[in-house]
Amino acid sequence: QVHLVQSGGGVVQPGGSLRLSCTASGFRLPDYSMHWVRQAPGKGLEWVAAIWFPANNEDYGEPVKGRFTLSRDNSDNTLYLQMNSLRVDDTAMYYCARDISRLEIDYWGQGTLVAVSS
Amino acid sequence: QTVVTQEPSLTVSPGGTVTLTCASSTGPVTRNYFPNWFQQKPGQAPRTLIYSTNKKHSWTPARFSGSVLGGKAALTLSGVQPEDEAEYYCVLYYGGARVVFGGGTKLTVL
Repeated sequence: QVHLVQSGGGVVQPGGSLRLSCTASGFRLPDYSMHWVRQAPGKGLEWVAAIWFPANNEDYGEPVKGRFTLSRDNSDNTLYLQMNSLRVDDTAMYYCARDISRLEIDYWGQGTLVAVSS
Repeated sequence: QTVVTQEPSLTVSPGGTVTLTCASSTGPVTRNYFPNWFQQKPGQAPRTLIYSTNKKHSWTPARFSGSVLGGKAALTLSGVQPEDEAEYYCVLYYGGARVVFGGGTKLTVL
């Protein structure tokens, strides 16, 4: 059974850093593309980043390019989103999601809340 | 900047049929944009209903169907149930780093 369990959110000051985790069970993370999607309070979904199978190349949305970085620990079957130079407008619920192929999203994590505030 | 547009809100009666659409600012939407559709209820994570235009997951109720219609991606609900009241989002793939969500449609069942 496929599960994505997220952790790592919290409150951070502007300019600070956080690392989000998305631990997969029921499948091998390296065998799939994975996405991060966020949702600001009361707003819609916004694509953040993806790591694509099989090339393992990464793509980032313009608002986070140069500040956020994807990584993966295959031994722990965990995907990470390292978020640096955080801004108030990065405040959102962050979701990880599995992608069967090129944008064929199936399972989602439960979400983790990031609040950037002074 | 690429914009994906959905109806902000729609209302449908129980048992009725409603079509939600997803348009691209770059031109007609085709299957090559791999449209996905998601349902989100308050306080919950999104749930994927449709991928690759019209493919369903094992959990997708039969009353949901996806298509491309008149240059837009479309999600049709036939025989709407009260539990279908939710926010619905589409997403389109433009290649590389361009994955763009629509703004969402709030569906009211009344």
